[in-house]
Amino acid sequence: AQSVTQLDSQVPVFEEAPVELRCNYSSSVSVYLFWYVQYPNQGLQLLLKYLSGSTLVKGINGFEAEFNKSQTSFHLRKPSVHISDTAEYFCAVSALSGGSYIPTFGRGTSLIVHP
Amino acid sequence: DAMVIQNPRYQVTQFGKPVTLSCSQTLNHNVMYWYQQKSSQAPKLLFHYYDKDFNNEADTPDNFQSRRPNTSFCFLDIRSPGLGDAAMYLCATSNHPRELSEQYFGPGTRLTVT
Repeated sequence: AQSVTQLDSQVPVFEEAPVELRCNYSSSVSVYLFWYVQYPNQGLQLLLKYLSGSTLVKGINGFEAEFNKSQTSFHLRKPSVHISDTAEYFCAVSALSGGSYIPTFGRGTSLIVHP
Repeated sequence: DAMVIQNPRYQVTQFGKPVTLSCSQTLNHNVMYWYQQKSSQAPKLLFHYYDKDFNNEADTPDNFQSRRPNTSFCFLDIRSPGLGDAAMYLCATSNHPRELSEQYFGPGTRLTVT
């Protein structure tokens, strides 16, 4: 079984500052990693994903994440945030289990961007 | 645009009164999922369909049932809602469960139980 830990429940930051949202995972098998964003009263939208290859993954809205196998981490970063980035961010891991890939989500990090 | 649609967006039901939430998709994906998301918590998978094959998570209460009459539609039935069932219910789709594929989510239905 796999699990995902998002250590920060809330991250406040000022507009145009850099931000990092942390995600750590545990799994006994190879994993695939995702970051989703959820705006108020909306569903989840994929930001980026790591399946294989380069450990630095670029996504939409200027976000990027780096897969670190030795530290079992997949932290999300953005060099300069905007007010519109205020949302809930979920890290998810998928691993093969019983012939199917079923994702497990972290509890989410609320990014709050202040003007 | 291809998308995942959930109706209604907000649903109020009474304690113990059966309620059905609906989800439809125009993506022609063969997998559909139902998640329960409570405030400040991760989405919790209730069950998923791979085509017509139903897969129930081990800890999903019997109070929750699902139907998928065709590729496009999937329903979540809560037979006797309790106060603890108040949550956001998210429907998602993906292309294959056995090939890694990202999920596409609907906007969710927020269920209130009075």
